[in-house]
Amino acid sequence: GAVVSQHPSWVICKSGTSVKIECRSLDFQATTMFWYRQFPKQSLMLMATSNEGSKATYEQGVEKDKFLINHASLTLSTLTVTSAHPEDSSFYICSVGGKDNQPQHFGDGTRLSIL
Amino acid sequence: RKEVEQDPGPFNVPEGATVAFNCTYSNSASQSFFWYRQDCRKEPKLLMSVYSSGNEDGRFTAQLNRASQYISLLIRDSKLSDSATYLCVVNSGSARQLTFGSGTQLTVLP
Repeated sequence: GAVVSQHPSWVICKSGTSVKIECRSLDFQATTMFWYRQFPKQSLMLMATSNEGSKATYEQGVEKDKFLINHASLTLSTLTVTSAHPEDSSFYICSVGGKDNQPQHFGDGTRLSIL
Repeated sequence: RKEVEQDPGPFNVPEGATVAFNCTYSNSASQSFFWYRQDCRKEPKLLMSVYSSGNEDGRFTAQLNRASQYISLLIRDSKLSDSATYLCVVNSGSARQLTFGSGTQLTVLP
């Protein structure tokens, strides 16, 4: 069964809109969740590490004020793309796991299209 | 140099063929290794972890050579359903952050 639930799976909206994506850990309490982005024909790139009860850790080149991450509970992390523009159109995926060298499990992903 | 490098392919093979994918990684401190498959417009799904002793899961065999920093995946008796992009993934430390290769595209032809 699914380990991670991500919602919504597809978003199309106008430029300037803010979009919130939810990532829920279904099987266990996740103190850490990961947010990735994948552009067409490219691999996944880690955007940030979401930490329950504290600030997220952002990768170099990722604007923390544009990609707001909230991890208020052990089962839910949210990514908000603020004032989205066409260049933010991408496939956003969250994951959980990875502790003790175990694999991570990914949500279904959110395909974001900004017009 | 990329941290994780893969041959992007595409690999087009007939059903029943054996196909091998290779991957190299640059961080010698890397601790865990995985192969994921990603179908078009879908999330990556774990195919198998890769262990130093090599491991097999049905038609799939993974090998790791730490000295050469090289990982491989062998698929025997290819099925149409094996068509996907195969991602070589490396965990490089305690931060649990994964580094993805760019993926190798496989198409199995009838």
